[in-house]
Amino acid sequence: AQSVAQPEDQVNVAEGNPLTVKCTYSVSGNPYLFWYVQYPNRGLQFLLKYITGDNLVKGSYGFEAEFNKSQTSFHLKKPSALVSDSALYFCAVRVPTLSGSARQLTFGSGTQLTVLP
Amino acid sequence: NAGVTQTPKFQVLKTGQSMTLQCAQDMNHEYMSWYRQDPGMGLRLIHYSVGAGITDQGEVPNGYNVSRSTTEDFPLRLLSAAPSQTSVYFCASSYGRWQGPHEQYFGPGTRLTVT
Repeated sequence: AQSVAQPEDQVNVAEGNPLTVKCTYSVSGNPYLFWYVQYPNRGLQFLLKYITGDNLVKGSYGFEAEFNKSQTSFHLKKPSALVSDSALYFCAVRVPTLSGSARQLTFGSGTQLTVLP
Repeated sequence: NAGVTQTPKFQVLKTGQSMTLQCAQDMNHEYMSWYRQDPGMGLRLIHYSVGAGITDQGEVPNGYNVSRSTTEDFPLRLLSAAPSQTSVYFCASSYGRWQGPHEQYFGPGTRLTVT
């Protein structure tokens, strides 16, 4: 079975400081990893994904994430946080199968990021 | 390009009532899915479809039905609403029948309360 853990329910950071939102996963095989963001009363929006290749992935709004296979982690980072980054962030994982299909997407429980002015 | 649309945005039902949550996408995506979001539990997959006429169950399918008669539409039916179905429901779609590395596009959600 595949699973995703976001160990922090809440992350607070001051505006201008770097931010990190943590994600670890447990899968059999090589995963596809995703980050989504949810603003209040909105649907989820795609931020970035890791498929293969370079471990550092860059995405929307200045976010990036680092894939670490040995630590089974995919932490989301941003060098300088903005108040407008305050939102709920979800990590998700999917494992491709030999046939080319893939298991369904499994989401973490979410991390509420608050950037303080 | 409207993306993924959902109606209604809010709904209150009494226990035992039935209703249909509508979902439509205009991106010609083959894959569509329904999730429910509950506090502290992330999103859980209810049902999904890999094309017109093809549907399958996800993680939490009990109490819900789906059908996919066209590529664009994927309605979710609650047969007999229960308070445990109080949740926020999201419809999503993605390119490709078997997903692979493709990201999903989400609708704005339907907030359902069952009393």
